[in-house]
Amino acid sequence: ETGVTQTPRHLVMGMTNKKSLKCEQHLGHNAMYWYKQSAKKPLELMFVYNFKEQTENNSVPSRFSPECPNSSHLFLHLHTLQPEDSALYLCASSQVPMAGVDEQYFGPGTRLTVT
Amino acid sequence: DQQVKQNSPSLSVQEGRISILNCDYTNSMFDYFLWYKKYPAEGPTFLISISSIKDKNEDGRFTVFLNKSAKHLSLHIVPSQPGDSAVYFCAARGQDDKIIFGKGTRLHILP
Repeated sequence: ETGVTQTPRHLVMGMTNKKSLKCEQHLGHNAMYWYKQSAKKPLELMFVYNFKEQTENNSVPSRFSPECPNSSHLFLHLHTLQPEDSALYLCASSQVPMAGVDEQYFGPGTRLTVT
Repeated sequence: DQQVKQNSPSLSVQEGRISILNCDYTNSMFDYFLWYKKYPAEGPTFLISISSIKDKNEDGRFTVFLNKSAKHLSLHIVPSQPGDSAVYFCAARGQDDKIIFGKGTRLHILP
């Protein structure tokens, strides 16, 4: 596997379910990110991890719970979601941001539908 | 309030002609700008970037122009090819290293 992978690619869940999204990067990067892409809205940064430490939580509701066990893996645990949480969830990774270099490599995303 | 704006949701260009994608921003503290390209069912991929100390960066068929006084940047693709049909995201980096994305512009290259 190369690049950034995400599983599952599609997920349908009820509002009372608990599920997890998984992201894995094979690029040797130290920073990982969760983004949310809703229809007709900009990509929204949700969480940032640098060297496994969470450095950013962009006012995300507690029904989204990230976990970063090591610099290659990132999870997003979901529970009691709302229909408005239906979106494409993108994982990305990068080297620790350096001046002039901040290319993020994205996974293909998980299309989440909350019913 | 959107700090990075792509006001054209879609753009159609004839194959072989120039595609110009525009982006406006409101925060004068942004120091780095990026363009990403996204195909359906795939994540965005980095395309080209420009530092705020430059006004132009070129990479093959892709050129990004930055007009700091107007807080405007544009991506030029010439000549446009069918494989360029995708959604293009403009993004800007602030001093806290946070990247803020625009909504994207869908580019259709017509045969």
